[in-house]
Amino acid sequence: SQKIEQNSEALNIQEGKTATLTCNYTNYSPAYLQWYRQDPGRGPVFLLLIRENEKEKRKERLKVTFDTTLKQSLFHITASQPADSATYLCGYTGGFKTIFGAGTRLFVKA
Amino acid sequence: SAVISQKPSRDICQRGTSLTIQCQVDSQVTMMFWYRQQPGQSLTLIATANQGSEATYESGFVIDKFPISRPNLTFSTLTVSNMSPEDSSIYLCSARTGGNTIYFGEGSWLTVV
Repeated sequence: SQKIEQNSEALNIQEGKTATLTCNYTNYSPAYLQWYRQDPGRGPVFLLLIRENEKEKRKERLKVTFDTTLKQSLFHITASQPADSATYLCGYTGGFKTIFGAGTRLFVKA
Repeated sequence: SAVISQKPSRDICQRGTSLTIQCQVDSQVTMMFWYRQQPGQSLTLIATANQGSEATYESGFVIDKFPISRPNLTFSTLTVSNMSPEDSSIYLCSARTGGNTIYFGEGSWLTVV
């Protein structure tokens, strides 16, 4: 069955460092991947979308890569700040549906 | 982009009752979806809301329990029927734009007692 996996362990980093989150998928070839931020008690907020024919996408301090050979996407936050602390979800879309991973909790310490 | 409004944002419901959640999008969108997110869990797709026809349900979800309507391109409702404590969850409405991005509402937090 289709499966999408994110590191279930929380990621703790120091302010100013780069946070790297991983998203792996199996048994599927998504047309594109999307990354979201979710704060407690809030709905997910869209951050970036990357298509299967794109290797990398950037937006301000955010960067996403998509490796269809490894079936993996990496999400980077450079110069991280305490305000970046949240849960980050990846979702892949093929056809009409988008399936999400369980999310990775990021803590950025000042 | 799309801005999605859901209501109610939060409710406490009695066991055995039903609750309808409304979802309004500020622009016409190609597709609308309903997800559930249980505490500490990821998003689980309940169904795709189809305009003018029956929703398409995912495995484990049935129309009798989660009837969905979508009368037009910007509005949808999800009803959670005959609620039990296991239905306590966040229910999220989402919409897919022409650019294929999925946007979410803030969610409806339901607690069944």
